[in-house]
Amino acid sequence: DTGVSQDPRHKITKRGQNVTFRCDPISEHNRLYWYRQTLGQGPEFLTYFQNEAQLEKSRLLSDRFSAERPKGSFSTLEIQRTEQGDSAMYLCASSRTGHEQFFGPGTRLTVL
Amino acid sequence: GEDVEQSLFLSVREGDSSVINCTYTDSSSTYLYWYKQEPGAGLQLLTYIFSNMDMKQDQRLTVLLNKKDKHLSLRIADTQTGDSAIYFCAANRDDKIIFGKGTRLHILP
Repeated sequence: DTGVSQDPRHKITKRGQNVTFRCDPISEHNRLYWYRQTLGQGPEFLTYFQNEAQLEKSRLLSDRFSAERPKGSFSTLEIQRTEQGDSAMYLCASSRTGHEQFFGPGTRLTVL
Repeated sequence: GEDVEQSLFLSVREGDSSVINCTYTDSSSTYLYWYKQEPGAGLQLLTYIFSNMDMKQDQRLTVLLNKKDKHLSLRIADTQTGDSAIYFCAANRDDKIIFGKGTRLHILP
């Protein structure tokens, strides 16, 4: 257990529905990252926050995706109008320094 | 951009040493990582090495870095059944981490 928690651990949804995931980082870490991992691949960077500021977004993050970290603590990742191609493991990581990132257990999304 | 390549599978007999190899492309990467992922679990940071080092040892793990060839390896001594997992090589680019596709380590009895 790294101290990073994610909720829910599993989510099954129908195509077109909206889903929201939550990540609670290690409390003293000001940096929070979202990655996506599909089957047989390594994690791919989506976006990251330093405190409440979203500093970078990958081109993988389409307009249907939005992430927030309103108080610089927990973060949410919302996917609107889900598509089957969104099925993946969504991983959150937190860091104090940026170079040492600790990952949560992930949220596995299945879009039917 | 950064690209990280590693072989997809490795089979090793229990008790032998495992060596997982990786190459990366971005010479400006300052940190190189090895993460472990067990089935259904998140990623566990095993170890990392700063780019001005050529070796780091931590108990059964030895990381070797050849910066000139952009080659990284992870050696696991006395491989145990609990070492069965997917091992990801990774490199930093600015504040993000770029991962390889992972090497599945299979332990033979």
